[in-house]
Amino acid sequence: EPEVTQTPSHQVTQMGQEVILRCVPISNHLYFYWYRQILGQKVEFLVSFYNNEISEKSEIFDDQFSVERPDGSNFTLKIRSTKLEDSAMYFCASSLVGGPTEAFFGQGTRLTVV
Amino acid sequence: QKEVEQNSGPLSVPEGAIASLNCTYSDRGSQSFFWYRQYSGKSPELIMSIYSNGDKEDGRFTAQLNKASQYVSLLIRDSQPSDSATYLCAKAAGNKLTFGGGTRVLVKP
Repeated sequence: EPEVTQTPSHQVTQMGQEVILRCVPISNHLYFYWYRQILGQKVEFLVSFYNNEISEKSEIFDDQFSVERPDGSNFTLKIRSTKLEDSAMYFCASSLVGGPTEAFFGQGTRLTVV
Repeated sequence: QKEVEQNSGPLSVPEGAIASLNCTYSDRGSQSFFWYRQYSGKSPELIMSIYSNGDKEDGRFTAQLNKASQYVSLLIRDSQPSDSATYLCAKAAGNKLTFGGGTRVLVKP
């Protein structure tokens, strides 16, 4: 069964460092997303991406965040200067079409900022 | 008012019984809803989607949507210990999902 894969599964970084989280969406999907979940809290939307551009972003997704589809299979989230409060589980998701449709999540990357 | 609200639980259910989970939402214009299951430390796993008023059944799961009353529910029949997890209700708007805080379900053998 096709699945969304994320790497690494766990990343530890020092405050102020840049991190890149990587995702390979399901191959025929066209819409890609990043969500995050701080420990014990809700899953929160960060950004949606379609046709090589951001289609929607949340207030959380400020200038320290960026997304990119560097090739035909990868989708990345970059955090430029990490803060302690960026520590969370980051989930990539993809869907075949946009709008209110079923999205499938990857297994997540646990980011720990120290 | 929170956009999507769920009772955090835990909802304790004997094995073989029906687990009933509820979710309310604030945006009357919301049209599409999803139930995800999340095991501790894992990612959300899609269980069901529901787009129109009424019931939708898939195996042991039944989702119910009532747009007039702005609630969505999920029934899990013949609950198994493996159903012990947090169940997330989500509504779709544009290209994003808004999640509730989840209801933790414990199925006791």
